Amino acid sequence: EVQLQQSGAELVRPGTSVKLSCKVSGDTITAYYMHFVKQRPGQGLEWIGRIDPEDDSTKYAEKFKKKATLTADTSSNTAYLKLSSLTSEDTATYFCTTGVWDYWGQGVMVTVSS
Amino acid sequence: DIQMTQSPSSLSASLGDRVTITCRASQDIGNYLTWFQQKPGKSPRRMIYGATNLEDGVPSRFSGSRSGSDYSLTISSLESEDVADYHCLQSIQYPYTFGAGTKLELK
Repeated sequence: EVQLQQSGAELVRPGTSVKLSCKVSGDTITAYYMHFVKQRPGQGLEWIGRIDPEDDSTKYAEKFKKKATLTADTSSNTAYLKLSSLTSEDTATYFCTTGVWDYWGQGVMVTVSS
Repeated sequence: DIQMTQSPSSLSASLGDRVTITCRASQDIGNYLTWFQQKPGKSPRRMIYGATNLEDGVPSRFSGSRSGSDYSLTISSLESEDVADYHCLQSIQYPYTFGAGTKLELK
C-alpha cells in the first residue's frame, strides 16, 4: 500500500523559509507526479504545483512561482516543498498527493508568527 | 486559467435526501474532473475521477455526471457519515484549479 508521510508542524518567523518533506513508501516516487496543495484555515484547496521526480521538471501556479520550490530526492523517495519569504498569508496546511490524487499525505500545518 | 465555479457553497440536508453539488468549468475540460470529500482535520479523499468513475470502496450512493460544462456529484440518499466538505478539481490544463468547495451539513 502506498503511503505518504509528511514532516511535522512548523512555527516559523515572518521573512524566513521552511522546507517540508513528503516521503513515499510502498512504491517508488518516480512512478508518480507529486503535487502540493495549500489549504488556509476554513478555506478551500489551492494547487501549488507539481514535480516529476523522474526528471525534476516542475509546474507551478503563477501565484506560487516566487513563493514555492519543489524538489525530489529519488534516493530517499522524498519530495520537498520549500516556502520562502514567509508571511501570515502562508499560514496554512500543506498537503502532498500523488499524480492521480489517490494517495495523500496527512498534511502539515505551517504557522507564520513572530 | 480555467475557473471552476462550485455551487452551492453550503448545503443543509436531511438523512435520506438526494443531494447534488455542481461545478461549472469556464473552458472545456473533457472528463478531467475529480471530486474529493474532506472531513474536518483530515486529508481529502478521492471519490470520483474522470467525472463519472467511482473510486474503489466509495459507497454506490455517490455518483458523478456531466452535462456540457457542468459536472455534478450526487448522493442518492444522504447518510450521517457523508457530512463533509466536497471539492472539485480540473486537471486538464495547468494551473490545475479547484472549486471553492461545498460544506454539507445535516438539517
